[in-house]
Amino acid sequence: AQKVTQAQTEISVVEKEDVTLDCVYETRDTTYYLFWYKQPPSGELVFLIRRNSFDEQNEISGRYSWNFQKSTSSFNFTITASQVVDSAVYFCALSEWEGSQGNLIFGKGTKLSVKP
Amino acid sequence: DAGVTQSPTHLIKTRGQQVTLRCSPKSGHDTVSWYQQALGQGPQFIFQYYEEEERQRGNFPDRFSGHQFPNYSSELNVNALLLGDSALYLCASSLGGIGGREQYFGPGTRLTVT
Repeated sequence: AQKVTQAQTEISVVEKEDVTLDCVYETRDTTYYLFWYKQPPSGELVFLIRRNSFDEQNEISGRYSWNFQKSTSSFNFTITASQVVDSAVYFCALSEWEGSQGNLIFGKGTKLSVKP
Repeated sequence: DAGVTQSPTHLIKTRGQQVTLRCSPKSGHDTVSWYQQALGQGPQFIFQYYEEEERQRGNFPDRFSGHQFPNYSSELNVNALLLGDSALYLCASSLGGIGGREQYFGPGTRLTVT
């Protein structure tokens, strides 16, 4: 069965701290994609990153970085030097090539609060 | 470049009524997916439309139906509304109707059923 688990319900940090959001997934497909989305209070989901199951290379984009490890079925997201504007709910999602045929399976989200 | 748009923004309906939500995909996209997001939860997949046909469906009853038009815009219809249908309804668009593509989301329609 496909499943995405985000064990951290809420995280609160002070500005400039680094913070890591955890994501663990379950799938039987060998071809799948992992995503992170950000949902600010306005409600619109903002696409952040997509990785496919054949590419375990970590990625850095500005203050954001992602650590994909197939051995532990994890796709963690780190924000370096957090800012108040990073406050939002962050969702990890899984898309299977065959099982769910492309629709996104979301975790329950992690609410990040960055305080000045 | 126009992103995904949805209308209306907010809607209040009474139990038992019917509602229609609308979505226009991002320019150049031909696939529309609908998701329901209850308060404090992640979005749940309702169904996906590609080439004017429903390609996939999540675990939602037949009260939820949809349509895709030749210009790729889409509608979500919900009949016999229940209190539990109160949620944020999100539309997402992508390209090609295949798995793994990024889905771009609209701002959502907040439906309240009283």
